[in-house]
Amino acid sequence: NAGVTQTPKFRILKIGQSMTLQCTQDMNHNYMYWYRQDPGMGLKLIYYSVGAGITDKGEVPNGYNVSRSTTEDFPLRLELAAPSQTSVYFCASSLNSPLHFGNGTRLTVT
Amino acid sequence: GDSVTQMEGPVTLSEEAFLTINCTYTATGYPSLFWYVQYPGEGLQLLLKATKADDKGSNKGFEATYRKETTSFHLEKGSVQVSDSAVYFCALMPLTDSWGKLQFGAGTQVVVTP
Repeated sequence: NAGVTQTPKFRILKIGQSMTLQCTQDMNHNYMYWYRQDPGMGLKLIYYSVGAGITDKGEVPNGYNVSRSTTEDFPLRLELAAPSQTSVYFCASSLNSPLHFGNGTRLTVT
Repeated sequence: GDSVTQMEGPVTLSEEAFLTINCTYTATGYPSLFWYVQYPGEGLQLLLKATKADDKGSNKGFEATYRKETTSFHLEKGSVQVSDSAVYFCALMPLTDSWGKLQFGAGTQVVVTP
């Protein structure tokens, strides 16, 4: 049972480039989430989804987009990378239970 | 809005020492409270939780009691091991919100030395 899988583990982007952070879960969870973790700041919710075809903004959505075409996958898209998006990104899922987290993607924008 | 405040780290301890990490919260009503742990290079894992006042969550020797009167959820362990070195996050889930839309504290790094 793989749980929540995120790819890539690390990535360096130049300012203005775009990329997609991948997240997939094999637990048939309805709810999925993207958080970012900045030093000394805890985790902030970027976007979340309560099921396939349904997404909504979290606390810090600017500069990001998501889609949820299947129950399993919840990719996060950065269209024009900015230095402020340098962070560690965590995907999580749940089914009326506490969150299951992936191992994170460390993104650096220079 | 709802928020969580936890003590700053790093907290450095010797093996077998007593660990306390303070966590206080601000919220409407009675939220559910959680402690998550993050080991180096990994995602967060649920350590324990409490869903109502006076509940005590416990796991792996760690305990925390939901104190309504002091709006606190302090994490304790009686005798830490080197393997407990990690970052610990206190979090709350608002009463009226879905699972997962958590408010996290800033995290407290704990370093246990042999």
